Amino acid sequence: DAGVIQSPRHEVTEMGQEVTLRCKPISGHNSLFWYRQTMMRGLELLIYFNNNVPIDDSGMPEDRFSAKMPNASFSTLKIQPSEPRDSAVYFCASSFRGAGGNTIYFGEGSWLTVV
Amino acid sequence: KNQVEQSPQSLIILEGKNCTLQCNYTVSPFSNLRWYKQDTGRGPVSLTIMTFSENTKSNGRYTATLDADTKQSSLHITASQLSDSASYICVVSESESNYQLIWGAGTKLIIKP
Repeated sequence: DAGVIQSPRHEVTEMGQEVTLRCKPISGHNSLFWYRQTMMRGLELLIYFNNNVPIDDSGMPEDRFSAKMPNASFSTLKIQPSEPRDSAVYFCASSFRGAGGNTIYFGEGSWLTVV
Repeated sequence: KNQVEQSPQSLIILEGKNCTLQCNYTVSPFSNLRWYKQDTGRGPVSLTIMTFSENTKSNGRYTATLDADTKQSSLHITASQLSDSASYICVVSESESNYQLIWGAGTKLIIKP
């Protein structure tokens, strides 16, 4: 299996621009997570999908952030408009069933810099 | 407040030496504890998952221990290699069905030749 695939790997954009991050989870996994990692705050859960349905988006920092999962093999995280404080590494991860007792597999991350 | 604290914050050892990383948690209720390895510029990779009833689990040169009574865990690395240089993150789950994990800040391990 190719693992969790994220794109782009690196993105540099200007403040105010729209950013779209993409994720393809591992085939057969029914849980998908978007995380953000910064030096100051470590790993933070942004949103959790189960069977393509958003279950908890309480970690999404502001209305500027939105996420969708139109089918079991694709998800997007969108930031509009982007701000310099959004600069971070965004990880997509997937697992089978809930995360409680199952291994979560992470993608390689999308490194976002907003200037 | 549910917390996971790791020590030391960073550690430098010589190649071939052993080391032990510590994790203390105040999460309650407790379901399982995980150790992840994160190489620089990469996503975290799972090393072990331990439930309440397990007190030791190995993955190659990595051995994790869990004391659910004292709420402590350790990750022991034997005969360290340069490729072990990474951040090691302790993560605790409150329940089997709880997708929300409490993440530690990690220990940054550097192996020197």
